[in-house]
Amino acid sequence: DIQMTQSPSTLSASVGDRVTITCRATQSISIWLAWYQQKPGKAPKFLIYKASVLESGVPSRFSGSGSGTEFTLTISSLQPDDFATYHCQQYDSYPFTFGQGTKLEIQ
Amino acid sequence: EVQLVQSGPEVKKPGESLKISCKGSGYSFTRQWIAWVRQMPGKGLEWMGHIYPGDSDTRYSPSFRGRVTISADKSITTAYLQWSSLKASDTAVYYCARLSDYGDSEYNWFDPWGQGTLVTVSS
Repeated sequence: DIQMTQSPSTLSASVGDRVTITCRATQSISIWLAWYQQKPGKAPKFLIYKASVLESGVPSRFSGSGSGTEFTLTISSLQPDDFATYHCQQYDSYPFTFGQGTKLEIQ
Repeated sequence: EVQLVQSGPEVKKPGESLKISCKGSGYSFTRQWIAWVRQMPGKGLEWMGHIYPGDSDTRYSPSFRGRVTISADKSITTAYLQWSSLKASDTAVYYCARLSDYGDSEYNWFDPWGQGTLVTVSS
């Protein structure tokens, strides 16, 4: 199985900050990576596919990059609505696997 | 609007059986895979498996194969997740999610998601 590891597990930041979350895979997954945002008590919301392609309607302050085994999700200027948990997911091969999540909290 | 609406919360005892549901609407239900994802309390997301309702072709994670059954009834556009004998460790929120049809592939991301079904197993 491909293991996905996110870092950090928790990130404290302020409105207006630029933040980056990293997701690493134990073997190459090319660009077959998605990112999701999840708020407490809610279902995940899809943000990015193919590592860097923003879903329609997702604010342009979100961006994704990477290929192979290392990927990043960047939020260029944090807004109050962005404080949530973020999950990466590989869909290169079965079983699909997720990172453990990164909780982005208000500093 | 594409929607997945899941059945309500369940409280069960160890050893009991359970079947939860996920009704799809707003798209061609038979043509896109539906997945189930587990989230244990305070933990991350785990893919359990998915089904193609058109022909009931199913994929399971090795971690869940033999422990759960994924099925679908295309006549009522509903997918199911079933246990024959629950354990306390099955306590979790279970989400259904549609796989994107990008590239007409079964290797895709999940969008949208159902609202989740909380299953509590306790004696």
